[in-house]
Amino acid sequence: QVQLVQSGAEVKKPGASVMVSCKASGYTFTNYYVHWVRQAPGQGLEWMGWMNPTTGDTNYAQKFQGRVTMTRLTSITTAYMELSSLRSDDTAVYYCASRGYYYAMDVWGLGTTVTVSS
Amino acid sequence: QSALTQPPSASGSPGQSVTISCSGTSSDLGDYNFVSWYQQHPGKAPKLMIYEVNKRPSGVPDRFSGSKSGNTASLTVSGLQAEDEADYYCSSYGGSNHLVFGGGTKLTVL
Repeated sequence: QVQLVQSGAEVKKPGASVMVSCKASGYTFTNYYVHWVRQAPGQGLEWMGWMNPTTGDTNYAQKFQGRVTMTRLTSITTAYMELSSLRSDDTAVYYCASRGYYYAMDVWGLGTTVTVSS
Repeated sequence: QSALTQPPSASGSPGQSVTISCSGTSSDLGDYNFVSWYQQHPGKAPKLMIYEVNKRPSGVPDRFSGSKSGNTASLTVSGLQAEDEADYYCSSYGGSNHLVFGGGTKLTVL
């Protein structure tokens, strides 16, 4: 079935980096941008950026410019999001989302919890 | 880019209708017809309910409808049911290949 399967929960120390993976199946991975969205505890959704799986092109929200890198490995239909220089306020559930329509994603991963704590 | 503005809460009784607003600016929501609405139950991933202002993906009940006027979009849930109790988020294409979300509205079915 159509799904995005994300990697498991992570605990990181401040200043470290984290990489979250997102494996797509059930649809043509290269036909749709992969978006990354995060949600801090008790807070709303925050868009981080997108990656074009065909070209590797990316577009990041200004807030994350310089700290986030979105990549992919098309041979295994997997997208990656790396966030560096982690701070405590980066503690959140990170979602990948794709397919659907123009800037409207109808397939979401279950989320990856990233906890930043010393 | 600033987040879109939603009321923090909304409520209605079973069978009633409730409307949730989402306000943006002439640079984002007001300039594009790419407004979406997502439903999120606690501990779950968001689910797309409305795209392109008023279109429903397959499987979404027609009790859910969307509209837009100027810089404000709205989601109406008619015939409220207990399972509609959730958080609802609007989003809009914000120009410059960016997406912006609203702060979310907690819908309570009384």
